[in-house]
Amino acid sequence: NAGVTQTPKFQVLKTGQSMTLQCAQDMNHEYMSWYRQDPGMGLRLIHYSVGAGITDQGEVPNGYNVSRSTTEDFPLRLLSAAPSQTSVYFCASSYTWGRGNTEAFFGQGTRLTVV
Amino acid sequence: AQSVTQPDIHITVSEGASLELRCNYSYGATPYLFWYVQSPGQGLQLLLKYFSGDTLVQGIKGFEAEFKRSQSSFNLRKPSVHWSDAAEYFCAVGVGTGNQFYFGTGTSLTVIP
Repeated sequence: NAGVTQTPKFQVLKTGQSMTLQCAQDMNHEYMSWYRQDPGMGLRLIHYSVGAGITDQGEVPNGYNVSRSTTEDFPLRLLSAAPSQTSVYFCASSYTWGRGNTEAFFGQGTRLTVV
Repeated sequence: AQSVTQPDIHITVSEGASLELRCNYSYGATPYLFWYVQSPGQGLQLLLKYFSGDTLVQGIKGFEAEFKRSQSSFNLRKPSVHWSDAAEYFCAVGVGTGNQFYFGTGTSLTVIP
């Protein structure tokens, strides 16, 4: 049981390049989300998904696309990287049970530098 | 709109001393509240959570937190800090059935011998 797996762990991009950050979970969780972590700003929600085929925007969605074709995978795409997207990116999956009890599991992060 | 405030950017405590990290939230409905810990270069580990019931919740590593609705607070406490507790601590509120998380800016804890 691997939990939430993010790849790659590190990436350097040139301005204008595109790339996809991968996120996979093996816990059959309905909910998945992407966050970026910047110094002094905590984690901010980029996009989230409440199930396969359903995605929505979070706090800071500009410059990022997502899709959710399967329960397991939730890739984050940067179409044209900018230096402002230099950050550490975390993927999370979560589930809710009982009377609204919920728990989220985070991946180990992807450190992205855009030069 | 929901928001989470952690007023202390950095706290230094002596090993063995007590600890309280402050968290205030703004959210219109009953919140789901969480505390996470992050060691350098690592992901986030859940310390504890509140979603209903007893307002004093116990977590891992000897941490506890108290939900006070009247003060919109969810402060984290530990009676005796260990050197291994040095890390970054994040308070978060969960919305949308609790599965979208909004985080505070974090409190960095330094433990001195």
